[in-house]
Amino acid sequence: EAGVAQSPRYKIIEKRQSVAFWCNPISGHATLYWYQQILGQGPKLLIQFQNNGVVDDSQLPKDRFSAERLKGVDSTLKIQPAKLEDSAVYLCASRPSGSGGSGNTIYFGEGSWLTVV
Amino acid sequence: DQQVKQNSPSLSVQEGRISILNCDYTNSMFDYFLWYKKYPAEGPTFLISISSIKDKNEDGRFTVFLNKSAKHLSLHIVPSQPGDSAVYFCAARTDSWGKLQFGAGTQVVVTP
Repeated sequence: EAGVAQSPRYKIIEKRQSVAFWCNPISGHATLYWYQQILGQGPKLLIQFQNNGVVDDSQLPKDRFSAERLKGVDSTLKIQPAKLEDSAVYLCASRPSGSGGSGNTIYFGEGSWLTVV
Repeated sequence: DQQVKQNSPSLSVQEGRISILNCDYTNSMFDYFLWYKKYPAEGPTFLISISSIKDKNEDGRFTVFLNKSAKHLSLHIVPSQPGDSAVYFCAARTDSWGKLQFGAGTQVVVTP
């Protein structure tokens, strides 16, 4: 079974520029998450989708971050304009359906590393 | 606010000995707890989990203990191996949607 795919793996941009990250979850996983992990900290949830609907975006800085999952499969996270403090790893994750067993586990991609200079 | 805390940023242990990683939480509504392992330049990978209705779960060399009254859980790795050197994250879930809150992680180094 293929894992969560993310691209690009690495990106360096100047502040005030824009960047977009793409994620393709594990096939059949209805729930998709974007997490931000700053060096030395644990991952922090930015947004959660259930199919193509947003479940939780309470910690997404909506003045500069946006995300979409139009067809309920792959997703894009955009930052515009970027700030220095956005330097982090952006992790996409997905979860199978169901409330028990494997439905409790979230599977992560390898992450997209962003450096804002 | 930080609802999941890992107060030890690093742990060094000798190969063959036991590694004990600790995690404290403040939210009594957490109903499921997970440990993730992360190697450099990779995403976190699921290691082991425990439901709030249990106090112990074991999987090979890994055992997770949950003390609900103390709002504390721990991960035991016995015996520790060099390949266990990684960052370990404790995570907790508050609802059936599966949203996880993570601790800051503990860097484990297993020395030969």
